[in-house]
Amino acid sequence: AQSVTQPDIHITVSEGASLELRCNYSYGATPYLFWYVQSPGQGLQLLLKYFSGDTLVQGIKGFEAEFKRSQSSFNLRKPSVHWSDAAEYFCAVGAAGGSASKIIFGSGTRLSIRP
Amino acid sequence: GAVVSQHPSRVICKSGTSVKIECRSLDFQATTMFWYRQFPKQSLMLMATSNEGSKATYEQGVEKDKFLINHASLTLSTLTVTSAHPEDSSFYICSARDPRNTEAFFGQGTRLTVV
Repeated sequence: AQSVTQPDIHITVSEGASLELRCNYSYGATPYLFWYVQSPGQGLQLLLKYFSGDTLVQGIKGFEAEFKRSQSSFNLRKPSVHWSDAAEYFCAVGAAGGSASKIIFGSGTRLSIRP
Repeated sequence: GAVVSQHPSRVICKSGTSVKIECRSLDFQATTMFWYRQFPKQSLMLMATSNEGSKATYEQGVEKDKFLINHASLTLSTLTVTSAHPEDSSFYICSARDPRNTEAFFGQGTRLTVV
């Protein structure tokens, strides 16, 4: 069965500092990996996704993520965070093939920004 | 613009009444759609998989008589919360994957409040 683990429930970083949010997945086949961001009371916004090809994926708002098959990881990074990045971040995994394949979410990491 | 549209975005209903939430794929035909629920400060939990022309598949612990799913066309799935109670208050999100490339798209979400 597929699963996603986000080990950090809450992270606080200073504005301008670098950020890395961890995500580990368990999936028997080729995974389709996502990072979403959610502000309080809002819907999901897709930051980036990995489907195939280059394992370093660039997303919106200056975010990037690297797929490491050997470590079953898909960590999200940003070189310099802004106060507006404070939100909840979700990693998710689905099957790469098949439109009937469900997507499972991690428990989320809440990001706070220290002024 | 939105590829998957969800309506309504917010709804308040009285306890004991039923509420219907619609999810439409605007750019592709979706034989499968997914319904998620998110409680405050928690992750998105998959409730059920909606299959066009057949019965939905519910995740363990989700009451199928409580959450009625109808997928009558290739572009529309509906979730009806029957006899709603305050504990059903939550954020409901639908998703569909484009069969042409298996990309996943999410609706904007519906915030249900049962009073």
